[in-house]
Amino acid sequence: QVQLQESGPGLVRSSETLSLTCTVSGASISAYYWSWIRQPPGKGLEWIGYIHYSGTTNYNPSLKGRVTISVHTSKNQFSLKLSSVTAADTAVYYCAIYSTYAYFDYWGQGSLVTVSS
Amino acid sequence: QSALTQPASVSGSPGQSITISCTGTSSDVGGYNYVSWYQQHPDKAPKLMIYEVYDRPSGVSNRFSGSKSGNTASLTISGLQAEDEADYYCASYTGSSTLVFGTGTKVTVL
Repeated sequence: QVQLQESGPGLVRSSETLSLTCTVSGASISAYYWSWIRQPPGKGLEWIGYIHYSGTTNYNPSLKGRVTISVHTSKNQFSLKLSSVTAADTAVYYCAIYSTYAYFDYWGQGSLVTVSS
Repeated sequence: QSALTQPASVSGSPGQSITISCTGTSSDVGGYNYVSWYQQHPDKAPKLMIYEVYDRPSGVSNRFSGSKSGNTASLTISGLQAEDEADYYCASYTGSSTLVFGTGTKVTVL
């Protein structure tokens, strides 16, 4: 059974870097593409980016320059770093498996990150 | 990239059918058969309901069906049930190898 679990600080100061990790069980990190998606409170979903275990990445143009997604094969994990955060980055952050046919079939439960001033 | 356009809300009575539209451009919805749909109940993670425009994952009820015409994709829920009350999001692959979500639709079962 495939499971994904987000972890990381729930509170980040404005202008600092948000860091989250997704731990994968039931699937090999070397077998798929991996993605991050976020959802501000009461709002819609926003795709952040994806990574392939080979290191290939692609990011949402609106976040490019601030976002880095990395894969940690030995730990079966991948991570998200978002720099220079503001209140607009307050959201529930989800990690997910990204199919090569552009859909997300397994999701984590989500992790709320609040940016404080 | 701009979010795909969905109606803010759609409602129907139990047993009825409803359709949710998802309008994009020729650079996303119209250009690829890579449209997916997600159901999200309050405080829950989204759940994949439809992928590649028409296909249903194992375990998803056949009351859910997808289609596409031009730059607009649609999700139809037939035989509406109380448990179908949720938010629904479409998503599409884009020409830049990125992905864009729709604005989301709240489905209410009257």
